[in-house]
Amino acid sequence: LAKTTQPISMDSYEGQEVNITCSHNNIATNDYITWYQQFPSQGPRFIIQGYKTKVTNEVASLFIPADRKSSTLSLPRVSLSDTAVYYCLVDTGRRALTFGSGTRLQVQP
Amino acid sequence: EAGVVQSPRYKIIEKKQPVAFWCNPISGHNTLYWYRQNLGQGPELLIRYENEEAVDDSQLPKDRFSAERLKGVDSTLKIQPAELGDSAVYLCASSSKTGGAGSYEQYFGPGTRLTVT
Repeated sequence: LAKTTQPISMDSYEGQEVNITCSHNNIATNDYITWYQQFPSQGPRFIIQGYKTKVTNEVASLFIPADRKSSTLSLPRVSLSDTAVYYCLVDTGRRALTFGSGTRLQVQP
Repeated sequence: EAGVVQSPRYKIIEKKQPVAFWCNPISGHNTLYWYRQNLGQGPELLIRYENEEAVDDSQLPKDRFSAERLKGVDSTLKIQPAELGDSAVYLCASSSKTGGAGSYEQYFGPGTRLTVT
């Protein structure tokens, strides 16, 4: 399974755009890139998934360069409620996800 | 649509005692996962079921942990006897392929926080 590396923590202010970059140098051809969000005392929640280029949904955008060795989760105009841990994962099929330690995002007023 | 249900939410036991956790996945989800999450870490897989079959239990400490998923719906995870190092949050998740490629979106329950004293 591809190992991922992401920053341990990030700080931001309300209304700003936050970009969290994840590196996955050993990503396999069939692997997809998936991001989950976790609030305290809750299970992780799916945010977005992509294979290449750009994916956008109502919550976030995911940017994946051509070599797919990294990806960037973009959260537009964050609010206090976006304070959470964000996990970047690469996997395929229904195999269980391999979570790292994630990035702790702290949004301040 | 109801989410993944887990019970109990919290459990405190003394070491060497047995404990069991219950999970009811989202209706129609044939894949069920049990994860353990230690403080400050991401979840790590213990066991994965496809319907009634355990297809990946390589990370399950089989000397003290056991799991079952009767009739391919609800699942129970048991620890006997519990050790101090088992204190963690135990998460259950379920998934069902909704079409297309890629890894299947997993839906997690709120978890059971176990404290072993």
